Amino acid sequence: GAVVSQHPSWVICKSGTSVKIECRSLDFQATTMFWYRQFPKQSLMLMATSNEGSKATYEQGVEKDKFLINHASLTLSTLTVTSAHPEDSSFYICSALGLAGGSSYNEQFFGPGTRLTVL
Amino acid sequence: QQPVQSPQAVILREGEDAVINCSSSKALYSVHWYRQKHGEAPVFLMILLKGGEQKGHEKISASFNEKKQQSSLYLTASQLSYSGTYFCGTEKGPLYNFNKFYFGSGTKLNVKP
Repeated sequence: GAVVSQHPSWVICKSGTSVKIECRSLDFQATTMFWYRQFPKQSLMLMATSNEGSKATYEQGVEKDKFLINHASLTLSTLTVTSAHPEDSSFYICSALGLAGGSSYNEQFFGPGTRLTVL
Repeated sequence: QQPVQSPQAVILREGEDAVINCSSSKALYSVHWYRQKHGEAPVFLMILLKGGEQKGHEKISASFNEKKQQSSLYLTASQLSYSGTYFCGTEKGPLYNFNKFYFGSGTKLNVKP
């Protein structure tokens, strides 16, 4: 089955620093990847849609300059949280869009998530 | 744009049944159901594409009403492993132009021995 990895699994950083999270599709190519943020006991909120070779599309209320997304290849998208603050602490999950096995429709395959804690 | 789920939380005894609902004010192209364990990524359960469709796997099944505005997930004879938070996810566009995906508010299911 399709596998998506995220790195790191967790990170603790000081306020004001930048953190980069990688999302990789390991056994398939993904022209589209999504980035979500999930606060405790809440649903996943779509932050942005990342398309290979073009600029990401951000959801309303998500700051482009704070959450930099780069989809440099068909297997890698990165999310950089710039000048992180405690309120950015959250669980960040990426997903990659790919054909579901034996089907004609696209399905999202989720990474395991990255827990960010900003002190 | 976010679909509405009900109930917010359910507590069951092992072997009991549960129904989780997901509704939207507008017709949807599809409904996806996921289960998420604490601290983990969501795991795909199933997708419904057509109005009136019903499908299932083992003791978990789902339906999508004719107007494609409401879906229900049915958990039969629940097992301890069913515990987790269930999310429905909906698309606003055709599958071949998958560019927006929204999760429902979630339903926390706790199955006790």
